[in-house]
Formats: sequence, structure tokens, C-alpha cells
Amino acid sequence: QKEVEQDPGPLSVPEGAIVSLNCTYSNSAFQYFMWYRQYSRKGPELLMYTYSSGNKEDGRFTAQVDKSSKYISLFIRDSQPSDSATYLCGFNKFYFGSGTKLNVKP
Amino acid sequence: KAGVTQTPRYLIKTRGQQVTLSCSPISGHRSVSWYQQTPGQGLQFLFEYFSETQRNKGNFPGRFSGRQFSNSRSEMNVSTLELGDSALYLCASSWGTGAQEETQYFGPGTRLLVL
Repeated sequence: QKEVEQDPGPLSVPEGAIVSLNCTYSNSAFQYFMWYRQYSRKGPELLMYTYSSGNKEDGRFTAQVDKSSKYISLFIRDSQPSDSATYLCGFNKFYFGSGTKLNVKP
Repeated sequence: KAGVTQTPRYLIKTRGQQVTLSCSPISGHRSVSWYQQTPGQGLQFLFEYFSETQRNKGNFPGRFSGRQFSNSRSEMNVSTLELGDSALYLCASSWGTGAQEETQYFGPGTRLLVL
């Protein structure tokens, strides 16, 4: 079993939709949780960082962590075409999901 | 504040050759980590340098090596290139200590093609 599982997508949604991106993990030592956005031909860009269970909100983005279920989510409200990118979950600095490709259609 | 820079941005090499990639971190950052990104394997950790010492290492063969200089700039070297080494190589920098040390900032990457 891989330490991190992330649905690769692609996920295609209409503009304005709520997007839910998810990762599961198996390593109980993971205590820090990140979400990165990666545009084509660019490096990943840090979107959200949290270390506790519960929700953390930043503008249109909400990161949710459930340590008991080993499950993290990123919600994007009122999605925009500019949100079209690959989203990677990150754990404890060095561990990453394989990324979910998101396409927001105008 | 300038971001992480990587040079060169693109490289084409042939099997058996070696290659050196360079990374300049954000000013003040003392930790530099290197990653390999491929469509099949995703983003995989190679190694981390902090204050000129390798602090953490991923699960890659010894053909992959790195070093860090006193100004925190880092290089990684891949010897005896194989076709499977074709990938985007990313470096990321962070403060190295303190709160939120896990947050890191990535460069644009070097795209390596091995023929």
C-alpha cells in the first residue's frame, strides 16, 4: 500500500462549482499537511498549511484534516478558470500525493 | 524578495553522461531540498541539505548526489544517466529551523531529457 493515495483525475467542473480534492494516507507519523498548486511548466506553489485536525480557511480555499481517518481535503469555492492546475497534497515536508489535475471550464 | 531559481531550465543528455543542476534558494533560507517529478511516480524526495550537510535522504541510488555551498546555493549531480532519469527536477527552499519549517518554496524546475 502506498503511503499517500490521491485520485489523479482529471477532474472537470464548470466555473463557479465547488471542488473537492482528497488524499488519504497511511503513515501515522504525518503531522503536517500541505496543499500545493502546480501550473503547467511551473514548480508547485504552497496554498495551505496546517498541522491540526479540523478546517482552515483562506479566501476561497478550505483545507480539512481528519487525522483519525487519515484523510485530508481541499475545497475550492466559486472555482475559476484560473484554478485549472494540478493540486498536490503534501505531508511532513517530503511526502506528496501524485496530484489531481483540475480543469475549470468557463 | 526573489524566489527560488534553478539553472538550466532545460537539458538534453544521452545515456551514460552526467549532469549537474543548480539551485539558488530564497535569501535567508538555509535548507534546500531536491525532488524528481515524473508522470508515473509523481513528486519524489531525493535529499535535503542544511548548512552544507545532507540532513535527509530519499530512496534513490547513489548515482544521485548533491552538495550545498556556504551561501546555501545547492547543486545536484546525476552520473551515468539512464533513460528513466528523464524528469522534472525541482528544488525547494525553506528556513531550515523554527516554526512552519515544513513549508517550502519551489523553483520552476529543470526539465531533463535523456536520449
